[in-house]
Amino acid sequence: EIVLTQSPATLSLSPGERATLSCRASQSVSSDLAWYQQKPGQAPRLLIYDASNRAPGIPARFSGSGSGTDFTLTISSLEPEDFAVYYCQQRSNWPPFGGGTKVEIK
Amino acid sequence: EVQLVESGGGLVKPGGSLRLSCAASGFTFSSNSMNWVRQAPGKGLEWVSSIASNSGYIYYADSVKGRFTISRDNAKNSLYLQMKGLRAEDTAVYFCAKNFGLARYFDYWGQGTLVTVSS
Repeated sequence: EIVLTQSPATLSLSPGERATLSCRASQSVSSDLAWYQQKPGQAPRLLIYDASNRAPGIPARFSGSGSGTDFTLTISSLEPEDFAVYYCQQRSNWPPFGGGTKVEIK
Repeated sequence: EVQLVESGGGLVKPGGSLRLSCAASGFTFSSNSMNWVRQAPGKGLEWVSSIASNSGYIYYADSVKGRFTISRDNAKNSLYLQMKGLRAEDTAVYFCAKNFGLARYFDYWGQGTLVTVSS
């Protein structure tokens, strides 16, 4: 089983700031990694797939990078609607999700 | 517009059974693998089960193997999850989710249905 560890657990930032979220895999997943956003009471939303490709309709302020075991989701300038929980997910093995990073308003 | 609508959740006693359904529309259901993902109250996402477009492969998380059965009816554009031997730790919102093309990512999700296992 591949374990995904997300850090930090909570990120406190202000609107307009840059957010950098990390996801580390216990073994290589190549580029087979996605990022999701989830707001309270809502289903998750696919943001990034294959580590760096934005899903349809996702704003350009969201970007993903990394390969192998270390991945990053960057939100270049936080909008009020970006405060949410973010999960990474790998598809190399039966997909576990990471534990999530909460981006909260500072 | 892609829509996934879950139903069948509710309160059930430990050891009981429940069948969840997911009605799909707005895409070619018979061409897509489908999944169930759950989320316990205040917790993260947990993948539960996946089924291929033609039911040719089926996978389960270890936590539900032997107790849950995923199935689909392509003629009815519907996905199911039969849950037996329910435990308190199965309490969660259950989402159905569509595969993103051939990849095991999830591009569309339903709104979820709450399953509560309690005496």
